[in-house]
Amino acid sequence: SAVISQKPSRDICQRGTSLTIQCQVDSQVTMMFWYRQQPGQSLTLIATANQGSEATYESGFVIDKFPISRPNLTFSTLTVSNMSPEDSSIYLCSVAGGVNYGYTFGSGTRLTVV
Amino acid sequence: DQQVKQNSPSLSVQEGRISILNCDYTNSMFDYFLWYKKYPAEGPTFLISISSIKDKNEDGRFTVFLNKSAKHLSLHIVPSQPGDSAVYFCAASPGAQKLVFGQGTRLTINP
Repeated sequence: SAVISQKPSRDICQRGTSLTIQCQVDSQVTMMFWYRQQPGQSLTLIATANQGSEATYESGFVIDKFPISRPNLTFSTLTVSNMSPEDSSIYLCSVAGGVNYGYTFGSGTRLTVV
Repeated sequence: DQQVKQNSPSLSVQEGRISILNCDYTNSMFDYFLWYKKYPAEGPTFLISISSIKDKNEDGRFTVFLNKSAKHLSLHIVPSQPGDSAVYFCAASPGAQKLVFGQGTRLTINP
């Protein structure tokens, strides 16, 4: 299965600022997924990122707030813009690993907005 | 609308006994189901999956059962070990696309 390097692992940010999270995959993948886990909650899909096209956002998530880049088949970034304390969550990227390997996740970015 | 539900937020099991984690879903379009284990400060780790064409899949100490008529799946861990203590998420996918997760069950294995 793929190996994902995600950074930063954690950050504390001031409200109103932006943070860009990076995910690097050790193999080429068509789709990358970005999830959010709010405190005490489940993982919720933010968007699906395809190389060469705009990301597809889930209901409740918009590009202005969570712009995504996918410059090639091994890399993607998620930016959390104009942050508020409600954005304090763990953000995770993921790629599909095939039927026998499930989906692989990065180690997550724990974001605290103060 | 919670399409994937784990109704037990926590479960405590004696070491060596069987742990059974349950999950219900509502969307008939789901055809691929997965279980993940998550430790604090780490991303979820894939455990085992099952396709909707099967009713059982086994991998070592882990077995997943799928009851499509009841829209229910379960994860059996036997024997349970202290290292199994973690939060377990079930997830479902329509056509190997995005995953929809349940709320998670915190499993504690007691020595």
